[in-house]
Amino acid sequence: QKEVEQNSGPLSVPEGAIASLNCTYSDRGSQSFFWYRQYSGKSPELIMSIYSNGDKEDGRFTAQLNKASQYVSLLIRDSQPSDSATYLCAVNMNNYGQNFVFGPGTRLSVLP
Amino acid sequence: DGGITQSPKYLFRKEGQNVTLSCEQNLNHDAMYWYRQDPGQGLRLIYYSQIVNDFQKGDIAEGYSVSREKKESFPLTVTSAQKNPTAFYLCASSSRTPFLFFGSGTQLSVL
Repeated sequence: QKEVEQNSGPLSVPEGAIASLNCTYSDRGSQSFFWYRQYSGKSPELIMSIYSNGDKEDGRFTAQLNKASQYVSLLIRDSQPSDSATYLCAVNMNNYGQNFVFGPGTRLSVLP
Repeated sequence: DGGITQSPKYLFRKEGQNVTLSCEQNLNHDAMYWYRQDPGQGLRLIYYSQIVNDFQKGDIAEGYSVSREKKESFPLTVTSAQKNPTAFYLCASSSRTPFLFFGSGTQLSVL
């Protein structure tokens, strides 16, 4: 059973702080990794993808991947109240669309 | 603008009733998917289709049916055999890359 685990939260951080979201996955053969943001009652929105070990930065977001530890994280710098949402980690074993495994999501609350 | 349109936004099902959720995309994507989202759980794949007139069961297909008669359309029917249908249903599509693009979702509730 392929699994993706996330701390459900809520994770509360003050405005301007760094929010750190973590995700572990069970399938060592996983090839691609994604972070989606989902506001309450809305659909998930892709914010980051990462395929190789190391860091990938995009604006205030940094995704970090460590395949040896089967661990992927998302850092949000200078957190804003508008970042308050649920963040879904998704892992794909072979880059086929039907093989996504989603974590339950971490709820982030950025306090003004 | 290209995108995925799901309708209705809210849907109520009576006991023993079949209901159909609509999903239309104008992204020219070959693959389309239906996911179910329950509170505190990850998205679970119901059905997917990689080409017209072909579709495959996902992890939780029991009590659901789909069709793919047009590239743009992938409707999902929640049958009376699905005893716990209350959930948020998400339609998605993808091209050759593994990115999933989601529609706005349909919240299905039981009366």
